[in-house]
Amino acid sequence: EVQLLESGGGLVQPGGSLRLSCAASGFTFSSNAMSWVRQAPGKGLEWVSTISASGGSTYYADSVKGRFTISRDNSKNTLYLQMNSLRGEDTAVYFCAKADRTTVTTAFDYWGQGTLVTVSS
Amino acid sequence: QSVLTQPPSVSGAPGQRVTISCTGSSSNIGAGYDVHWYQQFPGTAPKLLIYGNNNRPSGVPDRFSGSKSGTSASLAITGLQAEDEADYYCQSYDSSLSGWVFGGGTKLTVL
Repeated sequence: EVQLLESGGGLVQPGGSLRLSCAASGFTFSSNAMSWVRQAPGKGLEWVSTISASGGSTYYADSVKGRFTISRDNSKNTLYLQMNSLRGEDTAVYFCAKADRTTVTTAFDYWGQGTLVTVSS
Repeated sequence: QSVLTQPPSVSGAPGQRVTISCTGSSSNIGAGYDVHWYQQFPGTAPKLLIYGNNNRPSGVPDRFSGSKSGTSASLAITGLQAEDEADYYCQSYDSSLSGWVFGGGTKLTVL
């Protein structure tokens, strides 16, 4: 059974930093691209970032480019999102999601339960 | 403003058929990129409902179907049930943005 378990969310002041983790199990983690998708309170889904299976390629939404860094440790089956220079508009539930294929036409076939990040003074 | 446009809400009576549209452009749906659909209940994670325009993952009832034409896609739900009341999102890839995009979401109400 595929399981994705996020952690690391919490309350942080504007300008602060936070690192999210996503522990994966039930599939060959090193063979799949992984993504972060967020959802602001009462709003829709927003793609944040994607990393290739090897970690050699990374992609970011314009809204987080230069502030967020996605990474992975295939030896630990863990995905990360380092978030710096946080703003109020980054407040959201952050989901990690597994890509179902290795091309840009991928869907996100499994999702974690999400972790809440609140940016406020 | 989402790159993919969905109606904010749709509704239907039990047993009826409803459709949810997803309108994109020549840099996403119109460019041939696949459209996927997700179902989300309040306070829970999204669930993949339709992938590759018209394919259902194992366990998804055949009451749910997807289609795509030109720069738009649609999700159809037949034999509407109370348990279908949820938010639905379309998703694709956008070559202009070099990233993945979601529709704004549609809230389905079963009357």
